[in-house]
Amino acid sequence: AQSVTQLGSHVSVSEGALVLLRCNYSSSVPPYLFWYVQYPNQGLQLLLKYTTGATLVKGINGFEAEFKKSETSFHLTKPSAHMSDAAEYFCAVSVWGNTDKLIFGTGTRLQVFP
Amino acid sequence: DSGVTQTPKHLITATGQRVTLRCSPRSGDLSVYWYQQSLDQGLQFLIQYYNGEERAKGNILERFSAQQFPDLHSELNLSSLELGDSALYFCASSVTSGGPADTQYFGPGTRLTVL
Repeated sequence: AQSVTQLGSHVSVSEGALVLLRCNYSSSVPPYLFWYVQYPNQGLQLLLKYTTGATLVKGINGFEAEFKKSETSFHLTKPSAHMSDAAEYFCAVSVWGNTDKLIFGTGTRLQVFP
Repeated sequence: DSGVTQTPKHLITATGQRVTLRCSPRSGDLSVYWYQQSLDQGLQFLIQYYNGEERAKGNILERFSAQQFPDLHSELNLSSLELGDSALYFCASSVTSGGPADTQYFGPGTRLTVL
């Protein structure tokens, strides 16, 4: 079975600082990995996804994530945080043979201080 | 705006009642997924429909059911409601059921409160 672990339910950074949100996955078959963002009172928006090929994936709003198979990780980073980045971030995994459903982590709430 | 619409936005009802949540997928999308987001369970997959047929079931209670109509909109029916059913219910859609790499586009959700 697949699973996702997001380390740190809350992360706080100053505006302009590096954002690092951690995600580790467990899967016995090659995973497809996603990061979604949820702003208050809104639905989930896809930030980026890894399917195959290049392990460094660039997404919207300056975010990127690197797939590291040896570490079973897919951490999300952004070089310089902006106040508008404050939201909840979800890492998710899906795999062949398990239909197309997404298995989500528990989420990380990012706070950005001025 | 993802192009996925959900109605109603908010729903307040009493225990034991039955409600129907509606979802219209993005134009051209054939798959519809339902997810439940609650404080204690997080985001959980409930059920998926592809072109009118049930394709996958997740942690969906027997009191809950869904269907996808010929025009591809979907309804999630929740009956004999309990306090613990209070949650945010999301609908998502994707172009096909072509595999796990498909991007799912999420609607704004329906917030259900059971009193």
